[in-house]
Amino acid sequence: EPEVTQTPSHQVTQMGQEVILRCVPISNHLYFYWYRQILGQKVEFLVSFYNNEISEKSEIFDDQFSVERPDGSNFTLKIRSTKLEDSAMYFCASDEALARDSLLFGPGTRLTVL
Amino acid sequence: GESVGLHLPTLSVQEGDNSIINCAYSNSASDYFIWYKQESGKGPQFIIDIRSNMDKRQGQRVTVLLNKTVKHLSLQIAATQPGDSAVYFCAENIAGTGFQKLVFGTGTRLLVSP
Repeated sequence: EPEVTQTPSHQVTQMGQEVILRCVPISNHLYFYWYRQILGQKVEFLVSFYNNEISEKSEIFDDQFSVERPDGSNFTLKIRSTKLEDSAMYFCASDEALARDSLLFGPGTRLTVL
Repeated sequence: GESVGLHLPTLSVQEGDNSIINCAYSNSASDYFIWYKQESGKGPQFIIDIRSNMDKRQGQRVTVLLNKTVKHLSLQIAATQPGDSAVYFCAENIAGTGFQKLVFGTGTRLLVSP
């Protein structure tokens, strides 16, 4: 069964450093998302991406965040200058079409900012 | 503001019992609701969904009920098994555009004893 994959599974970084979280969505999917979950809190929407551009983003997704689909398979989330409060699980998700029945989530990357 | 919340943070049941997990939502404009299961170290896994033009939907051992009058959503799991132990999240799609901009609830932990 196809699945969304994410690397690394755990990323530790120093405050102020840049990080890039990587995702490989399901191959025939066209809509891509990043969500995050701070430990013990809700899963929160960050951004949706379609046709090489952002379609929606939340208040969390400020200028320090960016997304990119650098090739036909990868979907990345970059945080330019990490803050302590960026520590969270970051989930990538993909969808085949708008208004389909469900997103498929990846296993997540745990980001720890020291 | 928009919010999705849960009444019970932890639900403990015996194997074979039926489980009911509840969720309240506040956004009247939401037209699509989903239940996710999250096991430790994994991303959210789709269980069942329902659109606002329905009040009940059944899957394999699971049923989702939607009461739009009181903005309430519930997940019923029949004959609960130890493998059902996980955190369960309700989520609503607030995008209105078809993109999956989901607002998640805080989660209910289901513990199933053999």
